Amino acid sequence: QQQVKQSPQSLIVQKGGISIINCAYENTAFDYFPWYQQFPGKGPALLIAIRPDVSEKKEGRFTISFNKSAKQFSLHIMDSQPGDSATYFCAASSYGKLTFGQGTILTVHP
Amino acid sequence: GAGVSQSPRYKVAKRGQDVALRCDPISGHVSLFWYQQALGQGPEFLTYFQNEAQLDKSGLPSDRFFAERPEGSVSTLKIQRTQQEDSAVYLCASSPRRFGTDTQYFGPGTRLTVL
Repeated sequence: QQQVKQSPQSLIVQKGGISIINCAYENTAFDYFPWYQQFPGKGPALLIAIRPDVSEKKEGRFTISFNKSAKQFSLHIMDSQPGDSATYFCAASSYGKLTFGQGTILTVHP
Repeated sequence: GAGVSQSPRYKVAKRGQDVALRCDPISGHVSLFWYQQALGQGPEFLTYFQNEAQLDKSGLPSDRFFAERPEGSVSTLKIQRTQQEDSAVYLCASSPRRFGTDTQYFGPGTRLTVL
């Protein structure tokens, strides 16, 4: 049962461009929505997270937009850099138990 | 300070062998989670410990999987009679609060290959 759907599977952007990754969830009990970044051979690392009582959160070049009524949230990476090339996972949490999306492989060309 | 560490980093097992995977969480973290990540997929929840108590083991795929955290710090995930479908990266994460309602810090994972 797939409770968090993520798209696209892969994304290619030019340096300086905007990367946008979308996620949708089904379980209304989810109360915490983090985004993780994972490099090959490494564990996921928290990038930014949001709780459902706010519609947007920005940290540096990273912004989460959250639409509670539509049960959707997205990650925007502004001024994308080659060093941002990695796999990105959205997740949703209930009592700390994370349900992850399928992941998006982001490639930023110089 | 030190992050979450896992050992071994790589494990090759013959089908039918038992394996034990270790997780050293960040000191003082109450919550500890195990996840399984198949190739090209997102991590999937296996089990959750709050200190030494295993409060949720709903994600363990079969009774061949067993996890423990006897003193509320180090945890071990044991897989008995390994099968090829057990091949995956096993990730451990810890969090300072109960139920991990805060940032979960992940270790680098153990890549298990069952031949």
